[in-house]
Amino acid sequence: SQWGEENLQALSIQEGEDVTMNCSYKTYTTVVHWYRQDSGRGPALIILIRSNEREKRSGRLRATLDTSSQSSSLSITAAQCEDTAVYFCATVVGDNSKLIWGLGTSLVVNP
Amino acid sequence: EAAVTQSPRNKVTVTGGNVTLSCRQTNSHNYMYWYRQDTGHGLRLIHYSYGAGNLQIGDVPDGYKATRTTQEDFFLLLELASPSQTSLYFCASSDRQNTLYFGAGTRLSVL
Repeated sequence: SQWGEENLQALSIQEGEDVTMNCSYKTYTTVVHWYRQDSGRGPALIILIRSNEREKRSGRLRATLDTSSQSSSLSITAAQCEDTAVYFCATVVGDNSKLIWGLGTSLVVNP
Repeated sequence: EAAVTQSPRNKVTVTGGNVTLSCRQTNSHNYMYWYRQDTGHGLRLIHYSYGAGNLQIGDVPDGYKATRTTQEDFFLLLELASPSQTSLYFCASSDRQNTLYFGAGTRLSVL
């Protein structure tokens, strides 16, 4: 899983497999952002989940949020080569003006 | 379409040099951010702003100044660049839901 002082995670899977990335956080939050970053580009939001949703889907993506365990997950179903990227979770703290970022999970999907 | 444009895309300078990184957003967002990204550290917030003339200190501000001249334009200044500031720099703006829209990044090398 990713957060704070943890090292960047790295995953390598075959095309067609399912994969889940996890994120845990230290402070109470009601919203978690998931971003993906393709090589040579800035991160881009792929899914945002709020505490009243518990689960959210977008195409082959599925995000969950468990406020009791302070954790979130992002799953990709039937991964494809174009899913290769670094995935970050982020959550809002304080006065809602900035995000706290995880260190990221590097996902490589092999043909 | 919302856009964040950074310039230059690449910059090489020498130790002690003076560098200005530029960012312009056409999103009509109030908040803008400067991050640096380094392997093993993820995204680290340098400075941010919630409007023209405003500046907030981020998590790693030492050695950096910033200025927000208009709602659209946010600049990052390195007045005495050091090799430790060699990094990939991202600018972003955010909407009311704290979703960040990133530029393509500026790769800075300080020799």
